[in-house]
Amino acid sequence: GNSVTQMEGPVTLSEEAFLTINCTYTATGYPSLFWYVQYPGEGLQLLLKATKADDKGSNKGFEATYRKETTSFHLEKGSVQVSDSAVYFCALLSGSARQLTFGSGTQLTVLP
Amino acid sequence: NAGVTQTPKFQVLKTGQSMTLQCAQDMNHNSMYWYRQDPGMGLRLIYYSASEGTTDKGEVPNGYNVSRLNKREFSLRLESAAPSQTSVYFCASTQGKTEAFFGQGTRLTVV
Repeated sequence: GNSVTQMEGPVTLSEEAFLTINCTYTATGYPSLFWYVQYPGEGLQLLLKATKADDKGSNKGFEATYRKETTSFHLEKGSVQVSDSAVYFCALLSGSARQLTFGSGTQLTVLP
Repeated sequence: NAGVTQTPKFQVLKTGQSMTLQCAQDMNHNSMYWYRQDPGMGLRLIYYSASEGTTDKGEVPNGYNVSRLNKREFSLRLESAAPSQTSVYFCASTQGKTEAFFGQGTRLTVV
């Protein structure tokens, strides 16, 4: 079956530091890949997405590139802010049944 | 544009009580999902529905039933609530290869 393995947290960084959250996946066919963000007490919001190999998704300074050869979709940001503190989820959408699978989430805390 | 609407937002049940969590989407999506989120466990799939009239078990279906009433609505029922079902429940919908849209969640406490 499909699976998503995500870098375990929590991750604590100082403001303006570089962020990488690793994500690798196992899936049949050609999945779409996503990063979602969840702020405290809220639901999940789409951060960025990529629907085919070598696509780069980007939003709000975050980027991730769909790497089929390494089955990875690592999230990066060059300079994090305190407001980026949240839980980040990697996810894939695959299969004829359109099954949506999530990683376990990574808690990011950015200190001023 | 409402997106995905879940009701109720909060609920407290006594052990053994039953309840139904409602979910509706207005985006004409085929696929709908129910997840539970527990601290340190991420999101775990309870049930999903790839299209109207079909439902399939996810990772943690025990103790739950679902109904895909029509294309818009996908409800989750707890027949006899247990403290282990205390969680935050999220409904989501997708269409094709596009992203999933989520409801705001239902915080359920079973005492």
